[in-house]
Amino acid sequence: DGGITQSPKYLFRKEGQNVTLSCEQNLNHDAMYWYRQDPGQGLRLIYYSQIVNDFQKGDIAEGYSVSREKKESFPLTVTSAQKNPTAFYLCASSTGLAGGSDTQYFGPGTRLTVL
Amino acid sequence: GQQVMQIPQYQHVQEGEDFTTYCNSSTTLSNIQWYKQRPGGHPVFLIQLVKSGEVKKQKRLTFQFGEAKKNSSLHITATQTTDVGTYFCAGPRGGSSGDKLTFGTGTRLAVRP
Repeated sequence: DGGITQSPKYLFRKEGQNVTLSCEQNLNHDAMYWYRQDPGQGLRLIYYSQIVNDFQKGDIAEGYSVSREKKESFPLTVTSAQKNPTAFYLCASSTGLAGGSDTQYFGPGTRLTVL
Repeated sequence: GQQVMQIPQYQHVQEGEDFTTYCNSSTTLSNIQWYKQRPGGHPVFLIQLVKSGEVKKQKRLTFQFGEAKKNSSLHITATQTTDVGTYFCAGPRGGSSGDKLTFGTGTRLAVRP
C-alpha cells in the first residue's frame, strides 16, 4: 500500500521545547516538501528536498530544520526559535522528474499545538 | 515574488446551486494544478491544465486555463454535500525553483443540504 505517512497526527508541545515531525514515503519519490497551514490559510513552503542529502529553505524556514539522510524520510524539527509554531504541518512528495509539472502527493498531516 | 490569488475566499451555497472559484497568477504559468482539501484532511490532486485556453471536465467539475496562462477557474455544476472543502490552485515557480509550487490562497466551499 503506497503513500505518505506522517506521525503523530496530533502533537502537543510546551514552549521552549524542540519537536520532530516524522514524514515517510514509499512512493520512490525523489522530491519531498514540508508545508505549514494556518486556520483558513493556504500552504506555505517551509523546506524542500530534491534529492537525498540535499535540501533548500522555502519561504518560511526560520525556526525549522530538516534532514534528508534517506530517500524515504524527511523529518522536520520545529525548534524553540519558531515564534508561533501552532499550525497544521503537511508533508508532500513528488517524482522530481517533471519539474514544475509534478503532481504533489500529501500525507495526512500533523496538527501541532504549543501549550 | 510570484503570487497566486483566489476569489472568493469563502462561498456558502445551497445544494444544487453552481459554484465557481477563480485563480489569478502574477506571472505566466507553464501549467496549473488544482487540489481539493476536505475539512480536517489533506490536499488531494484533482487535475492539471497545460495548454492555453484548455478546458477539462471531471463529471460535474469543469476546469479552465486562461488564454494568457495567468488565470484559471473551477466550476462545479449542481453542488452536492460531498463537494465541501477548500479548493486550491497551484502553479510552478519556474526557473531554478525546480519542482516547487506556489499554492493559491484557496476557496472554501460550504454546501447547505
